[in-house]
Amino acid sequence: SAVISQKPSRDICQRGTSLTIQCQVDSQVTMMFWYRQQPGQSLTLIATANQGSEATYESGFVIDKFPISRPNLTFSTLTVSNMSPEDSSIYLCSVDPQGGETQYFGPGTRLLVL
Amino acid sequence: TQLLEQSPQFLSIQEGENLTVYCNSSSVFSSLQWYRQEPGEGPVLLVTVVTGGEVKKLKRLTFQFGDARKDSSLHITAAQPGDTGLYLCAGARWDNYGQNFVFGPGTRLSVLP
Repeated sequence: SAVISQKPSRDICQRGTSLTIQCQVDSQVTMMFWYRQQPGQSLTLIATANQGSEATYESGFVIDKFPISRPNLTFSTLTVSNMSPEDSSIYLCSVDPQGGETQYFGPGTRLLVL
Repeated sequence: TQLLEQSPQFLSIQEGENLTVYCNSSSVFSSLQWYRQEPGEGPVLLVTVVTGGEVKKLKRLTFQFGDARKDSSLHITAAQPGDTGLYLCAGARWDNYGQNFVFGPGTRLSVLP
């Protein structure tokens, strides 16, 4: 398993600003994932972040809006840029420590954009 | 179109009742996971099933992976209020970019005391 922490746990932001979310893992992992979960909805994958390569974005998500950093095997950041109220959501990072069949999730970052 | 469908979407039952949640797809997955998510928390892994036809038990929870690895079920016996939450199934698959996970829409369970 893996223990994952996220910062901030929640934030309220103004339209047009940017927020960077941090994800820290207690062990070295190759694959990290960033998800969005809108109120009352399931999880939607934003991108996969592997250390040493550029993040791979899913359809509907672009690097300019959601730039991702992956400087080492235990840490990643997701930035939500030029925010609008539609970006209000829970943002979750997850890892797949065995590179196999299972993900473990952080507690999420609750973002409200006014 | 959802790659993974879950049913029912909402379920409200009394404590002590049994229930089954279904996760279905037309795609084959290398494995399937079930998560429970409580309000204000991230999803917590309950189980991973890998082999077609596999059955796993976790106390009052029984998970089954379909023979063709396209569907799964979660059965809860004698539900308790602590079982309340959003139950998510997720399928793991490989594509040209590596492995990724697809989530179902979730089943929101409420167990009333």
